Amino acid sequence: AQSVSQHNHHVILSEAASLELGCNYSYGGTVNLFWYVQYPGQHLQLLLKYFSGDPLVKGIKGFEAEFIKSKFSFNLRKPSVQWSDTAEYFCAVNVYPIKAAGNKLTFGGGTRVLVKP
Amino acid sequence: GAGVSQTPSNKVTEKGKYVELRCDPISGHTALYWYRQSLGQGPEFLIYFQGTGAADDSGLPNDRFFAVRPEGSVSTLKIQRTERGDSAVYLCASSDLTSGGAETQYFGPGTRLLVL
Repeated sequence: AQSVSQHNHHVILSEAASLELGCNYSYGGTVNLFWYVQYPGQHLQLLLKYFSGDPLVKGIKGFEAEFIKSKFSFNLRKPSVQWSDTAEYFCAVNVYPIKAAGNKLTFGGGTRVLVKP
Repeated sequence: GAGVSQTPSNKVTEKGKYVELRCDPISGHTALYWYRQSLGQGPEFLIYFQGTGAADDSGLPNDRFFAVRPEGSVSTLKIQRTERGDSAVYLCASSDLTSGGAETQYFGPGTRLLVL
């Protein structure tokens, strides 16, 4: 079974600092990769996703992630964070191709990011 | 358009009671998932429906948990004889399963269950 690990549980940084959140997965086959974000008091929202093609994926709000297959990684980055980026970030993976049994996501434990104004 | 909705938003119950949690997926989405998120952890898969049938229930922790989706739209997660360890946020997600495997799941706000 696949697993996902996020290395940082908590990150605190100041506005305009750069952000990088690590995500590694364990599965030897083809995967789809996702980053979800949960702002305080809100539900999980899709930030970006990788299915195939260019391994550098751009998402909403200036976020991007790079899929490095050889490292089983899908790290999230943002060059300059804002106070409004304070949230919890989750990396998730599912196995491709889809089988009849489902397309369940396996999530990492999440990283809480606090951006100080 | 409307997103995934879940009711109730909060549920407090006593140990041993029965609870039902409801999920209304995005209209037209054939795939529906239930996840459970315990405090400080990421969501964990419980069960997946494709249409009316439960295609994968491998994540249900035990036989106290059951879910239905009788008409292929709304789903209900049912928990019998609740235990304090069942306290968590129960999340529902739906997707429009497209050909080729490019599926994105859209999540609801969750139901926060507290078992006293």
